[in-house]
Amino acid sequence: AQKITQTQPGMFVQEKEAVTLDCTYDTSDQSYGLFWYKQPSSGEMIFLIYQGSYDEQNATEGRYSLNFQKARKSANLVISASQLGDSAMYFCAMREGESSSASKIIFGSGTRLSIRP
Amino acid sequence: EAQVTQNPRYLITVTGKKLTVTCSQNMNHEYMSWYRQDPGLGLRQIYYSMNVEVTDKGDVPEGYKVSRKEKRNFPLILESPSPNQTSLYFCASSLAGSRETQYFGPGTRLLVL
Repeated sequence: AQKITQTQPGMFVQEKEAVTLDCTYDTSDQSYGLFWYKQPSSGEMIFLIYQGSYDEQNATEGRYSLNFQKARKSANLVISASQLGDSAMYFCAMREGESSSASKIIFGSGTRLSIRP
Repeated sequence: EAQVTQNPRYLITVTGKKLTVTCSQNMNHEYMSWYRQDPGLGLRQIYYSMNVEVTDKGDVPEGYKVSRKEKRNFPLILESPSPNQTSLYFCASSLAGSRETQYFGPGTRLLVL
């Protein structure tokens, strides 16, 4: 069965340091996508980064990168040079299926990241 | 502007009083979905829809109904709300496929007394 696990309920990091948010997943599908979203205190869901199961290179988007280890079924989010504005809830999510199919989408329980000045 | 809209944003109701939360998107997306967010549980999918007249259950469908009569709209119906349905609800839409990210609405905060 599909499952996403985020084992860090909360983290504190000093400003300008790098931080890694953990995400492990379980699926029997060969084709799937992994997503990270940020939810600031205002409540909206903001897409950060995507990694496809067939992508050979780790995804990067500005200060965000995804450490994708397929054999270990992990997709950790790395934020370099953290900023105060990075304080938020972060969710890992997985979507299975090929382009023409509908599929469930599941989320992890989230990690609350707090950046210290 | 491409967006997903939800109404109402905030709602207080009483047990058993039927309510509908509307969701509309203007991006011609095939896939639409409803989630509820509860502390410590993340987002859990209630229902999703691949296209008009095609809906499927997510992980927590009990107590909810949906319909997809038009591509742009995907209302969430609570026929007889109960206090355990007090939650933050998100609607989202996307193109179909595992590579496609979802666009989320602003959320609807529901309190059932």
